[in-house]
Amino acid sequence: ETGVTQSPTHLIKTRGQQVTLRCSSQSGHNTVSWYQQALGQGPQFIFQYYREEENGRGNFPPRFSGLQFPNYSSELNVNALELDDSALYLCASQTATDTQYFGPGTRLTVL
Amino acid sequence: QKEVEQNSGPLSVPEGAIASLNCTYSDRGSQSFFWYRQYSGKSPELIMFIYSNGDKEDGRFTAQLNKASQYVSLLIRDSQPSDSATYLCAVNNRVLGNEKLTFGTGTRLTIIP
Repeated sequence: ETGVTQSPTHLIKTRGQQVTLRCSSQSGHNTVSWYQQALGQGPQFIFQYYREEENGRGNFPPRFSGLQFPNYSSELNVNALELDDSALYLCASQTATDTQYFGPGTRLTVL
Repeated sequence: QKEVEQNSGPLSVPEGAIASLNCTYSDRGSQSFFWYRQYSGKSPELIMFIYSNGDKEDGRFTAQLNKASQYVSLLIRDSQPSDSATYLCAVNNRVLGNEKLTFGTGTRLTIIP
């Protein structure tokens, strides 16, 4: 049990729609990262938030955006969904060291 | 060249034997190295992390790091059927001060009873 929760568990959207995924990390873990994991691949870094500010971004277009809140929760927003956005989206909470613990993930299907 | 490379497998090992999983990375500045286990349909679960050259043991698991060869491995002793999963190698690339993890594609391990 990592103490990281994500909602919803599963989500089905159609192409062009917008989606918001949520994550709640452990108290005191003020760094959160989001990853996208396509089937058969390793997780790909989307971005990281530290103390409510973006602290690095991977090779994802601007339609992927995020927020972090003072209560250690965060959101991943994806606009103009494309079929290739279908994946498992993972939130990772980070300890004072650089160890990252993953939540259960949200499975997004875009039709 | 991929930043983190793993043999995708599948790797089949008899129950009770030693499973050996390997990973190479391209960034010599990498500082931290992680092994995650992922069961089908689940999220990655941290098994081991290692920062210094040499071996690090935790129960049946041993992580080995050789920075000169840019190589990290995971040994699983006394393999059990419950060890059947995909094992992901991850490397910490501290780009612009953040703690981004770069993952390999994973090695699928099957323990044969």
